Amino acid sequence: NAGVTQTPKFRVLKTGQSMTLLCAQDMNHEYMYWYRQDPGMGLRLIHYSVGEGTTAKGEVPDGYNVSRLKKQNFLLGLESAAPSQTSVYFCASTPFHSNQPQHFGDGTRLSIL
Amino acid sequence: GESVGLHLPTLSVQEGDNSIINCAYSNSASDYFIWYKQESGKGPQFIIDIRSNMDKRQGQRVTVLLNKTVKHLSLQIAATQPGDSAVYFCAENMEGGGYNKLIFGAGTRLAVHP
Repeated sequence: NAGVTQTPKFRVLKTGQSMTLLCAQDMNHEYMYWYRQDPGMGLRLIHYSVGEGTTAKGEVPDGYNVSRLKKQNFLLGLESAAPSQTSVYFCASTPFHSNQPQHFGDGTRLSIL
Repeated sequence: GESVGLHLPTLSVQEGDNSIINCAYSNSASDYFIWYKQESGKGPQFIIDIRSNMDKRQGQRVTVLLNKTVKHLSLQIAATQPGDSAVYFCAENMEGGGYNKLIFGAGTRLAVHP
């Protein structure tokens, strides 16, 4: 039982390049989330999904897109990377929306030059 | 505004001592609170949670206290060990928009010295 798995773990991009971050969970959770974590700041929600085929904007969605084609996978895309998107990205999941702790992956460290 | 007011100070303790990490939250409607531990290069790891109808909850070496009157949350770690060194976050849960919205503070770094 791997929990929440994120790939890749590290990536360096040039400004304007695109890429997709993958999050996979094997806990059959309904809800999935993408956060970014910047130095000295708490986690900020980018996008979330309440089930397969659904996505919604979080606190800082600009510059990102997401897809949830399969229940176990939640993809985060950067269409045209910018230096301001240099961050550590975390994916999380919960069984459903009522008060439950979110389970996190170990993050993807993304640097954009 | 809605925010978990936790700055990022460093708490230094001696191994074996008890640690207390504090957190102030701003939204009186928040009904669920979580403490996470984050080690370097890892994702946040769930430690303990508490619902707003409780004022204390104990885990294996951890205790969370909730004071709704002053909107304050604390995490107590008994007999702190070197493996407890990490950044600790509190988060408050706010229902809204149909999802489990967690508001995180910036974290407190706990440094345990032998």
